[in-house]
Amino acid sequence: DIQMTQSPASLSASLGETVTIECLASEDIYSNLAWYQQKPGKSPQLLIYYANSLNDGVPSRFSGSGSGTQYSLKINSLQSEDVSIYFCQQNYDSPYTFGAGTKLELK
Amino acid sequence: QVTLKESGPGMLQPSKTLSLTCSFSGFSLSTSGMVVSWIRQPSGKSLEWLAAIDWDGDKYYNPSLKSRLTVSKDTSNTQVFLKITSVDIADTATYYCARRVFPTYYFDYWGQGVMVTVSS
Repeated sequence: DIQMTQSPASLSASLGETVTIECLASEDIYSNLAWYQQKPGKSPQLLIYYANSLNDGVPSRFSGSGSGTQYSLKINSLQSEDVSIYFCQQNYDSPYTFGAGTKLELK
Repeated sequence: QVTLKESGPGMLQPSKTLSLTCSFSGFSLSTSGMVVSWIRQPSGKSLEWLAAIDWDGDKYYNPSLKSRLTVSKDTSNTQVFLKITSVDIADTATYYCARRVFPTYYFDYWGQGVMVTVSS
């Protein structure tokens, strides 16, 4: 199975700040990577797919980048509604695997 | 409007068989390129992909659990089922169904999840 290592595990930032979450795959996943946002008590929601494509309705302050084994999710101008847990997921090979998650809180 | 909703027993005893149903609307599983997957999440932990079934009836399983899983769909292509045999406390989790669709095949719509507790 492809292992997805996500960092940091938790992150505290102020409103308006820019934050970056990293995801490292155990092998090349050729940009077949997604980012999901999960708010407390809710199901995950797709933010980014193919490493850098924004899903419909997702604010433009979210962006994804990376290639090979290294990927990142950037949130510009942090808003209160961005407080969530973020997961990366490789979509390259079955079984599809997820990172451990990054819990984003407001400072 | 695409919606998915999971249903299940809520609680069951160890060694029993867990039966889950995913009822969906806004799309048909008979449409080429459509896939419905099952994913679970223990409380406070990450997500684990379990199984999937596609428009053609092909089934896919996570090898780590394959011997215990059976995924199926109904003839109207509006429901997908998952059975997990010989459940253990480790199977306690929220179970989600999610849609994947050609050409991206990412989990673009998720159900609200159903919590399942395995306890004696």
